[in-house]
Amino acid sequence: SAVISQKPSRDICQRGTSLTIQCQVDSQVTMMFWYRQQPGQSLTLIATANQGSEATYESGFVIDKFPISRPNLTFSTLTVSNMSPEDSSIYLCSVRRGTEVAVEQFFGPGTRLTVL
Amino acid sequence: RKEVEQDPGPFNVPEGATVAFNCTYSNSASQSFFWYRQDCRKEPKLLMSVYSSGNEDGRFTAQLNRASQYISLLIRDSKLSDSATYLCVVTRNTGGFKTIFGAGTRLFVKA
Repeated sequence: SAVISQKPSRDICQRGTSLTIQCQVDSQVTMMFWYRQQPGQSLTLIATANQGSEATYESGFVIDKFPISRPNLTFSTLTVSNMSPEDSSIYLCSVRRGTEVAVEQFFGPGTRLTVL
Repeated sequence: RKEVEQDPGPFNVPEGATVAFNCTYSNSASQSFFWYRQDCRKEPKLLMSVYSSGNEDGRFTAQLNRASQYISLLIRDSKLSDSATYLCVVTRNTGGFKTIFGAGTRLFVKA
């Protein structure tokens, strides 16, 4: 298994500001993933954070809006920039363990963001 | 159309009932299949993997039909603690390894 912690667990922010979410994993992983889960919706992958290289963003997500850092193999940050109420969501950090045919995905507890 | 589709919820059942969740996936290149459980205000956690031969874990039975691209989860003798959202999850390795989450089906088990 994997133990993942996130900070902050929740925040209420004003529009136009930025919030940085931290994710710490209990062991080294090559890739860390950032997801968004909007109310009543499933998880949407924002980007994959690779250690030593730039993050890979999914369609609809850009680095200017969601800059990611990955300074080492156990830590990553996601910044939600210039926030608007549409960014209100739960942001989840995730890692995978196993092989491609027997992979399990572990999630952090999430950061609940409300933008006013 | 979403790549992974699940029964619309919520399901409201009494304790002791048997409840079945269905899921279909559209990409025939999908290779692995899972059910995750997400409690209210918590992160998703793996409930069980789904194999072609079907698999059972206590009160939970998962089945996969590759020909029909269909996955199911059966919960027998429902408990109050089974109340949660159940996510159907599919992985594939086309154009990179991807994990696709269904929207989830909400289950409420009542006393």
